[in-house]
Amino acid sequence: EVQLLDSGGGLVQPGGSLRLSCAASGFTFSSYPMTWVRQAPGKGLEWVSAITSGGTATSYADSVKGRFTISRDNSKNTLYLQMNSLRAEDTAIYYCAKATGGDPRVYDYWGQGTLVTVSS
Amino acid sequence: EIVLTQSPGTLSLSPGERATLSCRASQSVSSSYLAWYQQKPGQAPRLLIYAASSRATGIPDRFSGSGSGTDFTLTISRLEAEDFAVYYCQEYVSSARTFGQGTKLQIK
Repeated sequence: EVQLLDSGGGLVQPGGSLRLSCAASGFTFSSYPMTWVRQAPGKGLEWVSAITSGGTATSYADSVKGRFTISRDNSKNTLYLQMNSLRAEDTAIYYCAKATGGDPRVYDYWGQGTLVTVSS
Repeated sequence: EIVLTQSPGTLSLSPGERATLSCRASQSVSSSYLAWYQQKPGQAPRLLIYAASSRATGIPDRFSGSGSGTDFTLTISRLEAEDFAVYYCQEYVSSARTFGQGTKLQIK
């Protein structure tokens, strides 16, 4: 059974940093691109970042480019999102998601999400 | 950037009725790179449809997607109690991979 366990969220002050993790199991993690999607409280979904299966290529939404870094450790079956220079508008639930086998930009399994709150 | 506009914002129907949800793009979504996701309160999104009309694994056949270019539709043929949720479309042709603002499907 595919499982994605998001963790690392919490309360952080504006300008601070946080690292999110997503522990994967139930599939060959190293074979699939992964992504992060976020959802501000009571709002819709926003794609944040994606990484290829081998970790050699990454992409970011303009709203986080230069502040967030996506990475993965295929030996640990874990996806990361390093978030720096956090702003109030980064407050959201962050979901990691696994790409399908057919298209790397379609996501068939999602974590339960981890809440990031940026506030003083 | 492609802007996706979903309509209606809220749809009130009864179980057994047919639901038609619309997703309109500000520019053509080439090769029908459009997906639909369902989200229930307190849960992560769930993939329903990809490539505009292909059902994801395990999705009941009462869910169907159609459309091309700038106009896409998600149809639920006969609503069941578990279908009442928020539905999002997403384009994945652009680097922004934009989501629509969502349609809330609620029980009438």
